[in-house]
Amino acid sequence: GAGVSQSPRYKVAKRGQDVALRCDPISGHVSLFWYQQALGQGPEFLTYFQNEAQLDKSGLPSDRFFAERPEGSVSTLKIQRTQQEDSAVYLCASSLEVETEAFFGQGTRLTVV
Amino acid sequence: AQTVTQSQPEMSVQEAETVTLSCTYDTSENNYYLFWYKQPPSRQMILVIRQEAYKQQNATENRFSVNFQKAAKSFSLKISDSQLGDTAMYFCASAANAGNMLTFGGGTRLMVKP
Repeated sequence: GAGVSQSPRYKVAKRGQDVALRCDPISGHVSLFWYQQALGQGPEFLTYFQNEAQLDKSGLPSDRFFAERPEGSVSTLKIQRTQQEDSAVYLCASSLEVETEAFFGQGTRLTVV
Repeated sequence: AQTVTQSQPEMSVQEAETVTLSCTYDTSENNYYLFWYKQPPSRQMILVIRQEAYKQQNATENRFSVNFQKAAKSFSLKISDSQLGDTAMYFCASAANAGNMLTFGGGTRLMVKP
């Protein structure tokens, strides 16, 4: 595709609900990254994939967060039993290789009420 | 571990003038990369400029240039001939080696006034 696409753009979830956030990277991009951006702050790294392999998940804040990229293309970030502190913008980025420029999507704004 | 600090939460500049955004960082890596990203209200992060730490020459991209002071661990962004479209959040970031696992600063909100 023309760019990194994320859906939905906005998501409101009731506390305790499970959510799934989708990222469609640029076609052919090997590397995919997820970041969490709380209101008024800079993004924080969550996890990194190279093709279908999750090579780094050190930034996932708890075991309620789970990411997958089963076919090395589309990725899904799942948050179980959402809490208010999970409210943030979730950004996805992809790059052709890990050391080349990363292109970001427009993010999903998650609000937990 | 890496840390990135932006000490200016907000800045403003008159259209056509020059503004400098500050950034300091800390890293234990020998080889690292530094970035400036622009985030407009659409939320999409856009790469403005990138500097490889082993290169002494400061990176430039049209109206954007950096002042990279490696010993002081400082990486400021200069925007010349500011335009209304430059109004956005600006984030400084670092990455170990050549990777894109970025560590971001807290951001500076820049407003360009007509």
